[in-house]
Amino acid sequence: DTGVSQDPRHKITKRGQNVTFRCDPISEHNRLYWYRQTLGQGPEFLTYFQNEAQLEKSRLLSDRFSAERPKGSFSTLEIQRTEQGDSAMYLCASSLGTGENEKLFFGSGTQLSVL
Amino acid sequence: AQKVTQAQTEISVVEKEDVTLDCVYETRDTTYYLFWYKQPPSGELVFLIRRNSFDEQNEISGRYSWNFQKSTSSFNFTITASQVVDSAVYFCALSGPTSGTYKYIFGTGTRLKVLA
Repeated sequence: DTGVSQDPRHKITKRGQNVTFRCDPISEHNRLYWYRQTLGQGPEFLTYFQNEAQLEKSRLLSDRFSAERPKGSFSTLEIQRTEQGDSAMYLCASSLGTGENEKLFFGSGTQLSVL
Repeated sequence: AQKVTQAQTEISVVEKEDVTLDCVYETRDTTYYLFWYKQPPSGELVFLIRRNSFDEQNEISGRYSWNFQKSTSSFNFTITASQVVDSAVYFCALSGPTSGTYKYIFGTGTRLKVLA
């Protein structure tokens, strides 16, 4: 069994470009989460899915951000018209989805640098 | 408001020393959960422990131990006989009804450096 995988590991883009990240959760996990982590800070919640339904979005997730999980398996996070302030590590996590306050299994993240 | 404070930004110890990482939290919830995660240089956060607010028993797992004290809103983490492989950033986190049981509030982390 593999853990949560994220692709790419690193992404460098120019301001104004669109970027898309992919997350493959642990196969039997129903819940999938996106977090953002900036240097010297802890992860901040962005959004989460229960199967294919996006159930909560943080105010941090501006209109330029969109996340999908079309078949309840992998998820994508797209950032349109990137800004330098979007530079961060984007972490994906998954959990079984059978209860509340579950332990999260994290991927290694996608490090985004916006020039 | 829900908040987690890890006042220690960075700690350096020499191998085999014991080290305690502090975590103080704020919440109005009566039922909540506390977590510790380890983030090695690879970037992946690794789950260490989950504790609910009704279970104040201290826990020991090998060289790791946790001290949960509701009276002081603290959930401290001690590594006994530290090793170089323990070098990482450690995060304390909180979840509960106010923030959302699916939304975890993380502290800013404590970077632990264990020197050989």
